[in-house]
Amino acid sequence: AQSVSQHNHHVILSEAASLELGCNYSYGGTVNLFWYVQYPGQHLQLLLKYFSGDPLVKGIKGFEAEFIKSKFSFNLRKPSVQWSDTAEYFCAVNQGNQFYFGTGTSLTVIP
Amino acid sequence: IAGITQAPTSQILAAGRRMTLRCTQDMRHNAMYWYRQDLGLGLRLIHYSNTAGTTGKGEVPDGYSVSRANTDDFPLTLASAVPSQTSVYFCASSNGLAGDNEQFFGPGTRLTVL
Repeated sequence: AQSVSQHNHHVILSEAASLELGCNYSYGGTVNLFWYVQYPGQHLQLLLKYFSGDPLVKGIKGFEAEFIKSKFSFNLRKPSVQWSDTAEYFCAVNQGNQFYFGTGTSLTVIP
Repeated sequence: IAGITQAPTSQILAAGRRMTLRCTQDMRHNAMYWYRQDLGLGLRLIHYSNTAGTTGKGEVPDGYSVSRANTDDFPLTLASAVPSQTSVYFCASSNGLAGDNEQFFGPGTRLTVL
């Protein structure tokens, strides 16, 4: 079965610092890739997704992610984080009818 | 528009009891999903449904059953709860099962099995 690895469990940054969260999946083939975010007390919501085309995808709130097929990676980036980005971030992979989520990365941004 | 509602918000249940978690969406989405979220394990898919009348197994289906009698409702049943089913359960829906469709999540149900 597919597995999704998020290497950073908890990240603490100061405002304006740059962010990169790692995500790797285990099996190749045709996949669709997602990053979801869960703000404190809120539902999970989609940040961005990749299913074809340009491997650099842009999402909401200034986030972007790059799909590198040869590395089975889909890392999330933001050049300058804000306090309001404090949240839990989940990488997810869809393959066929199945969806696989990573364990999540908790991001704390210090004002 | 409420989106996705789940009930109950939380529940404490004795082992061996039967429990049904409810999920209703008002977006007329074809596909619906049930996940459980456990510390250190992320979200894992339990069951899914592509359309009313059809269901499929996810990564961790054992001990759970679902039904999809209509488009809006997708209840999850634990026939005989066990402590390992203590978790937070999220229902989600999307416009189709294809992976390029965004999933919309409900607020979750926190279930404790003693």
